[in-house]
Amino acid sequence: DTEVTQTPKHLVMGMTNKKSLKCEQHMGHRAMYWYKQKAKKPPELMFVYSYEKLSINESVPSRFSPECPNSSLLNLHLHALQPEDSALYLCASSQLPGPLFSRANVLTFGAGSRLTVL
Amino acid sequence: GQQLNQSPQSMFIQEGEDVSMNCTSSSIFNTWLWYKQEPGEGPVLLIALYKAGELTSNGRLTAQFGITRKDSFLNISASIPSDVGIYFCAGHYSNTGNQFYFGTGTSLTVIP
Repeated sequence: DTEVTQTPKHLVMGMTNKKSLKCEQHMGHRAMYWYKQKAKKPPELMFVYSYEKLSINESVPSRFSPECPNSSLLNLHLHALQPEDSALYLCASSQLPGPLFSRANVLTFGAGSRLTVL
Repeated sequence: GQQLNQSPQSMFIQEGEDVSMNCTSSSIFNTWLWYKQEPGEGPVLLIALYKAGELTSNGRLTAQFGITRKDSFLNISASIPSDVGIYFCAGHYSNTGNQFYFGTGTSLTVIP
């Protein structure tokens, strides 16, 4: 199984709603990522979890709240979002970097969740 | 975070033509990755490069890890309509932990 699965594929929410994006991988990867992507732009890193612990937070507003319940799952909880938060949200996973795993230093992406905030 | 310079920004080519694009960085990397992204989908890995000077092929795609470790190149030979998409490079250096740095992207349009 070499997939990263994201749900839902599409999400429309109002600015007062609370919703969650979900991500699952079964490749045994111990690093999981959330990226935000605007149209025709590169992915922007939001959060990184290593061994289920938050290791990088790229100064993301608190209305985005990540959670890593176990090594296979990653959630992104959304609350009080703004219209400018509308974007494609990508989940990715990788082996953890290091000399032993240098040839495994690749990101595997999910298909993304298209979020529209009204 | 650091963003890599990728060029050209966009390309409009005739089917059958060859394509070249490149990515440059101010920092060295020990891994270079090339991804393709189609509308509404996530990026898909095309080629991974791990050693300076390495040349790797994947079908009609060939990528090279620059010898300075600060650049990489992707070539597509005999383009076909399904090559349409945005191509991103990404660099990684193990001393920076889990950080992958992305290029600005090259949008490819193939005219049948």
